[in-house]
Amino acid sequence: AQKITQTQPGMFVQEKEAVTLDCTYDTSDPSYGLFWYKQPSSGEMIFLIYQGSYDQQNATEGRYSLNFQKARKSANLVISASQLGDSAMYFCAMRDVDSNYQLIWGAGTKLIIKP
Amino acid sequence: DSGVTQTPKHLITATGQRVTLRCSPRSGDLSVYWYQQSLDQGLQFLIQYYNGEERAKGNILERFSAQQFPDLHSELNLSSLELGDSALYFCASSVTSLRGETQYFGPGTRLLVL
Repeated sequence: AQKITQTQPGMFVQEKEAVTLDCTYDTSDPSYGLFWYKQPSSGEMIFLIYQGSYDQQNATEGRYSLNFQKARKSANLVISASQLGDSAMYFCAMRDVDSNYQLIWGAGTKLIIKP
Repeated sequence: DSGVTQTPKHLITATGQRVTLRCSPRSGDLSVYWYQQSLDQGLQFLIQYYNGEERAKGNILERFSAQQFPDLHSELNLSSLELGDSALYFCASSVTSLRGETQYFGPGTRLLVL
């Protein structure tokens, strides 16, 4: 079974609109971590945001926030006020005991921001 | 800039050859990870080193090997290269903080095997 599922292969969004990128995960470990990374066309992998399974509040980092719904096992990334520079691949990843605490990656979502 | 450096940025070589990719972690990070990202397989974890010792192994082929040196830089050696080894190879280093262990990635080495 897929441990990390990103159901949106690609998305087009108008500049300045908010964007939600979906990520669902599967684990039986009560202690896990969820990560989002951005990969622009230049290729580098940029860490965006982290959510721990025991964190009481949803993580936020500037324009990025994580809509963490533990019971539904979803960790959607929300980008507010999108910018042209947000166009990139976005990857969701999880670390848990089953993965020996290594990151398990989703397939990614390609986000294109339209001017 | 993540603080993780990788050299070279691009590498073109022929089948059957051997190459070495180099990574310097962020200052203070003891863990180094290697990943392969190819078009058809996404991001694949290869191997992790922690303070010079191998800590975890992923989908690393026997033709590939890695090591981490006393100054904490790491090298990934790829030998008997095949066309299918063409990929973007990332190194990441990690720090453990209140939010757990976060991996920061280098810019990658783009390998093309002809």
